[in-house]
Amino acid sequence: ILNVEQSPQSLHVQEGDSTNFTCSFPSSNFYALHWYRWETAKSPEALFVMTLNGDEKKKGRISATLNTKEGYSYLYIKGSQPEDSATYLCAFNTGGFKTIFGAGTRLFVKA
Amino acid sequence: DVKVTQSSRYLVKRTGEKVFLECVQDMDHENMFWYRQDPGLGLRLIYFSYDVKMKEKGDIPEGYSVSREKKERFSLILESASTNQTSMYLCASSSRTGGNEKLFFGSGTQLSVL
Repeated sequence: ILNVEQSPQSLHVQEGDSTNFTCSFPSSNFYALHWYRWETAKSPEALFVMTLNGDEKKKGRISATLNTKEGYSYLYIKGSQPEDSATYLCAFNTGGFKTIFGAGTRLFVKA
Repeated sequence: DVKVTQSSRYLVKRTGEKVFLECVQDMDHENMFWYRQDPGLGLRLIYFSYDVKMKEKGDIPEGYSVSREKKERFSLILESASTNQTSMYLCASSSRTGGNEKLFFGSGTQLSVL
C-alpha cells in the first residue's frame, strides 16, 4: 500500500517566522510529487508539481525541494504571513489517474 | 476564472436516504474525480472518470456510485446513506492523463448523515 506521510501534523508560528514541513513518500515507482494549499472554506489550489530528483520550485516566499532517491520533499515558507495560514497537502503519483495524498500539515500564522 | 463547482457547501441527510452530490467544471477537462477527506487522513479517491459515461473505482468505492452523462458534470451518489459516510467530499478535474497534471478542486461539500 502506497503511503504518504507529512510532518508535522500542525504548526503554530509567529508572523515573520520562516518554517518548513516534510513530505515522505515511496522512493520506488516515482512519477510526480504535488504540493497543494487548502485554505479554510476554499478549494485546494496547486502550488507545485515536481518530477525530477533535485527539482526546486519557488513561488514568491514559498519554495519546495524534491529528493526522489530517498523519498522526501520539503516545503519552505520564508517570512510567514497570516494569509499563509492553511493546510498544505503533499500528493504522490506513480503515473496515471491515482494520486495519493498525505494528511496535510495545518499551518497557523499568528499576527 | 476557471472553476469546479460543487452544488452544496453543507448537506444534512438521514440514514437510508439517497444522496446526490453534483460537480460541474467549466474547463472542458476529460478527467473528473471524487475524493473524501476525513480528519487525520489524506484525501481518498472514491471514483474517477476519464470520459463521458466512463467510470473507474478508486480506493474506497463501497457504498457509492457515480454518473457522468455530460463531460462537464460528475455526480456522486450515495444509494443509502450511512453515518460512516459523514465526511467532506471534494470533486476535482484535470485536463490530461498523467501524474504530473495538477488537479483543480471544488470547495467541497460537508455531508452529515444523521
